[in-house]
Amino acid sequence: EAGVAQSPRYKIIEKRQSVAFWCNPISGHATLYWYQQILGQGPKLLIQFQNNGVVDDSQLPKDRFSAERLKGVDSTLKIQPAKLEDSAVYLCASSPIAGPSYEQYFGPGTRLTVT
Amino acid sequence: SQQGEEDPQALSIQEGENATMNCSYKTSINNLQWYRQNSGRGLVHLILIRSNEREKHSGRLRVTLDTSKKSSSLLITASRAADTASYFCATAGYSTLTFGKGTMLLVSP
Repeated sequence: EAGVAQSPRYKIIEKRQSVAFWCNPISGHATLYWYQQILGQGPKLLIQFQNNGVVDDSQLPKDRFSAERLKGVDSTLKIQPAKLEDSAVYLCASSPIAGPSYEQYFGPGTRLTVT
Repeated sequence: SQQGEEDPQALSIQEGENATMNCSYKTSINNLQWYRQNSGRGLVHLILIRSNEREKHSGRLRVTLDTSKKSSSLLITASRAADTASYFCATAGYSTLTFGKGTMLLVSP
């Protein structure tokens, strides 16, 4: 089966610019996650969707980050405006069933550099 | 904040040796999962151990969980160069996973 797809793989922008990342989860997976991974650290959950509804966005900096999952399939994560500290790898993951009792399948990530 | 804390931060061994990584956490968990991350395959799920389990095996992997000490260990036996990666423990609460900072494992031929 095809894995989680993400694009772009790399993005370099200047601070205060906007950027968007796209994720296509594994077919049939109802739950989708966006994580931020800063160099040298583990992934940090930004937002979790169940179908097209938000389950948890408590760690999403809502003044600059936004995410949507239209029709319960693809998802986009946007940063506007970007700050230097947003430089990180943004990982998308999906799971067939909601809840932390099931493994998550991760995409390759988008490496964002903010200059 | 990240709940899991892996120890050691980095580990260097020779092929054929065993590698042990530890994870400590602070609050009650539903389960604990181990993931591996390398440049070639990204972040991959290795094994899940539930809070009512004490030990679990998968191939060359052995995971233990001690909920009284709030700690877990991952043992990789007969390591290979291909095991070179970062290993993360992730604690599962009610609805989400929280990852630690990881252990970087280097296996030399």
